[in-house]
Amino acid sequence: GDSVTQMEGPVTLSEEAFLTINCTYTATGYPSLFWYVQYPGEGLQLLLKATKADDKGSNKGFEATYRKETTSFHLEKGSVQVSDSAVYFCALHSSNTGKLIFGQGTTLQVKP
Amino acid sequence: DAGITQSPRHKVTETGTPVTLRCHQTENHRYMYWYRQDPGHGLRLIHYSYGVKDTDKGEVSDGYSVSRSKTEDFLLTLESATSSQTSVYFCAISDLDLRTEAFFGQGTRLTVV
Repeated sequence: GDSVTQMEGPVTLSEEAFLTINCTYTATGYPSLFWYVQYPGEGLQLLLKATKADDKGSNKGFEATYRKETTSFHLEKGSVQVSDSAVYFCALHSSNTGKLIFGQGTTLQVKP
Repeated sequence: DAGITQSPRHKVTETGTPVTLRCHQTENHRYMYWYRQDPGHGLRLIHYSYGVKDTDKGEVSDGYSVSRSKTEDFLLTLESATSSQTSVYFCAISDLDLRTEAFFGQGTRLTVV
């Protein structure tokens, strides 16, 4: 079945460091891919999305490119801030079943 | 903000009792989902619905049932709660167009003692 695998955390970085969180997926058909973020004590909110191969999603300095050939959707940011500390989830929305499936989440902690 | 509310927000219940969680939306979205969130496991899909009276299982459906008798409400029932079902439960909704984002409720913290 469809699945999403994320790199395990926690990830601890200093402010202004470069961030990469790896995400790979397994799916039939043509899923849409998403990154969601969860701040402490809150629900999930969309960070960015890509709906077809080679699309690049971007928001708040974060970027991810839908790579069908490597079945990946890695999240990157050139310079992280303390306020980026949160849990990040990679997700796919199956075009076949309508299921919305999440990876296990990666906790990011950014230190001043 | 998308119109999605979960109730109750917090609940403590005893082992063996039935529990029902409610998700209500005002967006007329076709898809509705129930997840549980546990440390180290991320969000795991319990059940989802793709229309009124149309539901399907997710990856952790054992011990849970759902019902959707109208577009706006999606109920999650634990027939006989167990301590392993202590978790935070999230509801999500999504539009018919699968290319759009999902919107999440604020979560329900359920403790089974």
